Amino acid sequence: LAKTTQPISMDSYEGQEVNITCSHNNIATNDYITWYQQFPSQGPRFIIQGYKTKVTNEVASLFIPADRKSSTLSLPRVSLSDTAVYYCLVGVSIKAAGNKLTFGGGTRVLVKP
Amino acid sequence: EPEVTQTPSHQVTQMGQEVILRCVPISNHLYFYWYRQILGQKVEFLVSFYNNEISEKSEIFDDQFSVERPDGSNFTLKIRSTKLEDSAMYFCASSETLEQYFGPGTRLTVT
Repeated sequence: LAKTTQPISMDSYEGQEVNITCSHNNIATNDYITWYQQFPSQGPRFIIQGYKTKVTNEVASLFIPADRKSSTLSLPRVSLSDTAVYYCLVGVSIKAAGNKLTFGGGTRVLVKP
Repeated sequence: EPEVTQTPSHQVTQMGQEVILRCVPISNHLYFYWYRQILGQKVEFLVSFYNNEISEKSEIFDDQFSVERPDGSNFTLKIRSTKLEDSAMYFCASSETLEQYFGPGTRLTVT
């Protein structure tokens, strides 16, 4: 399983864009990159998944450079409610059901007024 | 939007007692999981379940733990003889694909 490294914490202000970079130097050819979000006292929630280049949905964008050794989760115009822990996971595709998720320490994002 | 539900939200028990944590996964999902998170620590995988049997379990999931799908809707985690170190949030999840949907968790406090 590819090891991931991400910042322990980040502070931001309402309305700003937050970019969280995750390093995964030993990512395998068939590994996808998935991000989950966890609010205090809640279970993690899927945000986005990608394999290469850029993926965008209604919540976030995921940028993956050509070498795939890192990825950046971008949260546009954050609000106070985006305060959460964000986890980068590297592993099999969203289409491969039944596989366990291996969470790291995540990045604790604090959005200030 | 369908969601995973868990009961109780908080369980307090004495060391050595048995507890059963209950989960109702999303109805058309076939894969079920239990994770736990000790306060301030990472979310840790315990066990996955498919087709009425365990498909994978972690080192944490020892003989004190068991899972069951007693009927078509519930999925339970039993801890036979709780220890202080079992105090944690326990999350149930279910999936149709790799995207796992987590419940709100049960906070287990062992005294």
